[in-house]
Parts: sequence; C-alpha cells; structure tokens
Amino acid sequence: EIVLTQSPGTLSLSPGERATLSCRASQSVTRNYLAWYQQKPGQAPRLLIYAASSRATGIPDRFSGSGSGTDFTLTISRLEPEDFAVYYCQQYGTSLGFPFGGGTKVEVK
Amino acid sequence: QLQESGPGLVKPSETLSLTCTVSGGSLSGTYWSWIRQPPGKALEYIGFIFYSGSTNYNPSLKSRVTISVDTSKNQFSLKLTSVTAADTAVYYCARGGGTFDPWGQGTLVTVSS
Repeated sequence: EIVLTQSPGTLSLSPGERATLSCRASQSVTRNYLAWYQQKPGQAPRLLIYAASSRATGIPDRFSGSGSGTDFTLTISRLEPEDFAVYYCQQYGTSLGFPFGGGTKVEVK
Repeated sequence: QLQESGPGLVKPSETLSLTCTVSGGSLSGTYWSWIRQPPGKALEYIGFIFYSGSTNYNPSLKSRVTISVDTSKNQFSLKLTSVTAADTAVYYCARGGGTFDPWGQGTLVTVSS
C-alpha cells in the first residue's frame, strides 16, 4: 500500500502570503492520480485538485497543484482568510485503499 | 446533496449501520463511497459501491465491511461489524470512487458500552 507523507505538519503564514504544501508518496503514484482536499473545522472535506494539477469545479485559481511520480505540491498563491484550514492529499492510482496523507494545517501567523 | 443517518452510539462487538441518502440526482452511472475520520485524526477510505452493485473495500477493513445500494430509494448503506473503540469516528458519505466530491456533512459514531 502507498503511504503518503505530508509536510510540514503545520504552516504558520499571514494573509496574502504564499503557501507551499508537500505530499510525498512511498512509491510512484500511477498516472499521477493524486488529489488535494481542504477541510475547515466542523466541515466535510472539499475537493480542490485532482490528477495532480487539475482544479475541481469552482475552485479559485490561486490554488494550484503540481508534481509527478512520488513528489507533489499544493500551492496557494496568496492566502485569503478563508484558506486557513487543513489540507489532505490522497492517491487514487491504485484501488488498494485510496490512502490519504496525514494533513497539513495552515494557520494564521 | 448527500446526508448520512444512523445511530450515534454503538456498543463494542456490535454492528455499525449507516445510510446515505442522495437528493437532487440519481445514483445511476457513478460510484458512491464511505470515508471516516477519527476525532483529531486523518481521513480513512472505507469503500465504494458502483450503482450496479460492484464494490471495492479498503483491505484493512475488508473483512468487516459491507456496502450496499438501493437505487429505488436513492440510498446506499454501510455496515461495519465487530466494532471497537477504534471505530469511533465521523463517517462521511461521498460521490465518487477515486476522488470524492461532494461529501455529506458527516455523522459522529461513538463506540462505547
């Protein structure tokens, strides 16, 4: 089973700053089938990015995904107040468990 | 829209049963999933079902999980047997069988005597 490791665990930034979140897979993700989700306190997760770099419907263009193989990145170009949340990566290239990463919390500095 | 329903408290060794009702659309033609999140922890995929009934389960839970679908009621369901405290979590239903979007609001299930 693929294990996804997200770093850092917590990112402390100010509104307007750039956020760079990392997701590393223990083995290559088939067809770069890697997704990113945002979760705010008390809410369900929301799909942001699929296939490593494609934005889901209605997601602002300040969110972008990149990477391939085992190393993936979610970038938020300029943090808005509503972007402070926990972000999870998830692989779906193989149908063995669809694992999620442990999450990165983006908090206000 | 998706809405989970079911008991919020289940005794150890018993079976957890939840239902997800889909409104505003049909179950036909797509996959439907269950995902859970223990308090303060990360997300864990449980399994999905295709509207026709074929299923895929997380290997770590496969021996205890059954997901079924009732297209006449626009619902799909989760059963998890022999629960322990480790199964205490918020359980979400979602559309999709690889990526998950949208999600229900989630329901907290506590395993305790």
